[in-house]
Amino acid sequence: AQKVTQAQTEISVVEKEDVTLDCVYETRDTTYYLFWYKQPPSGELVFLIRRNSFDEQNEISGRYSWNFQKSTSSFNFTITASQVVDSAVYFCALSDENTGNQFYFGTGTSLTVIP
Amino acid sequence: GAVVSQHPSRVICKSGTSVKIECRSLDFQATTMFWYRQFPKQSLMLMATSNEGSKATYEQGVEKDKFLINHASLTLSTLTVTSAHPEDSSFYICSAKRQGDFVFDTIYFGEGSWLTVV
Repeated sequence: AQKVTQAQTEISVVEKEDVTLDCVYETRDTTYYLFWYKQPPSGELVFLIRRNSFDEQNEISGRYSWNFQKSTSSFNFTITASQVVDSAVYFCALSDENTGNQFYFGTGTSLTVIP
Repeated sequence: GAVVSQHPSRVICKSGTSVKIECRSLDFQATTMFWYRQFPKQSLMLMATSNEGSKATYEQGVEKDKFLINHASLTLSTLTVTSAHPEDSSFYICSAKRQGDFVFDTIYFGEGSWLTVV
């Protein structure tokens, strides 16, 4: 069965610190997709990244970077030089074609960046 | 801009009444849409998969008679919460599956709808 675990419920960092949000997933499928979404207080899901299971290259986008390790079934997300605007709940999610592209979300990590 | 739109974004209704939430794909056809529910400070849980022209597939524990899903066109799915009660107060969000040329069909999320039942 598919499962996503985000062990960190809440994290607080001081502005300009780096922070890593952990995500561990479980799936028996060989083809799957991993996502990170940002959910501000307004509720909408802001898409951050999609990674397919065949692409283990790490990715960097500005202050954001992602580390995909199939060996440990992890897809961690790092924010460098955090800013107050980064404060939000971040969800890691898993999807695959065998289940019709439904998303399995982790429980989310609430990040608070203190000015 | 948003490619999947939900309406209303916020709704307050009285206990015992029904409320309808719409999910529209704006510039593509969506044969499949998904409805999720998120209770405060919790994760998003799939409620049902909505298939155009056929009955929705509900997840275990979701009452199909209470949460009516209609996907009558390729751009619109509706979720009707019937005889709403305060415990139905939640954030409801839909996603639409865009048929693509790639192995993975692109999924887009709506902006979500906050339902408060008083």
